[in-house]
Amino acid sequence: KNEVEQSPQNLTAQEGEFITINCSYSVGISALHWLQQHPGGGIVSLFMLSSGKKKHGRLIATINIQEKHSSLHITASHPRDSAVYICAVSEKLVFGKGTKLTVNP
Amino acid sequence: DAGITQSPRHKVTETGTPVTLRCHQTENHRYMYWYRQDPGHGLRLIHYSYGVKDTDKGEVSDGYSVSRSKTEDFLLTLESATSSQTSVYFCAIGVGFVDEQFFGPGTRLTVL
Repeated sequence: KNEVEQSPQNLTAQEGEFITINCSYSVGISALHWLQQHPGGGIVSLFMLSSGKKKHGRLIATINIQEKHSSLHITASHPRDSAVYICAVSEKLVFGKGTKLTVNP
Repeated sequence: DAGITQSPRHKVTETGTPVTLRCHQTENHRYMYWYRQDPGHGLRLIHYSYGVKDTDKGEVSDGYSVSRSKTEDFLLTLESATSSQTSVYFCAIGVGFVDEQFFGPGTRLTVL
């Protein structure tokens, strides 16, 4: 049983499109993380959030603790956004399997 | 960027040999973590440390041991490597257990 589920697994978009990646979890948490893994393998932390919404540039992350669901949105997507996006829950350090995003020019 | 390095970056070894991977940080963060990443599984926690000589097991700790004798170094040892331990290993650091983590560049280990 996966405690963290991401959808979709793969996503292909055209440049400029609005992107949404979803993360659902089954355990109680105090915080959820969104990470980005570049095609070269490096992993970067994007957001840590425990309620509401956070925004950084074209990236927006939201979380609904009651519904155990978080979303990562990318506005005006660009080919450089192509990466694997991973969500993780803090307390048990359990990670989703990732969503591979490809943005075509 | 957080100062975190891993060595070696690539290693090929044979089944049954011991292997030690090193994670080094210059940020003085209390927490250090070792993960492995495999296709179809995502990142999985092997061991973590919450201080010098303080370590605990993660989800996939069997076959691995760790040591932390200094704040800046966290070693992962495979006492007798097996082919199932072929993977990419990531080290991460953080201020607190539930805080943001900063990841090292990864070590690709192949056990033949």
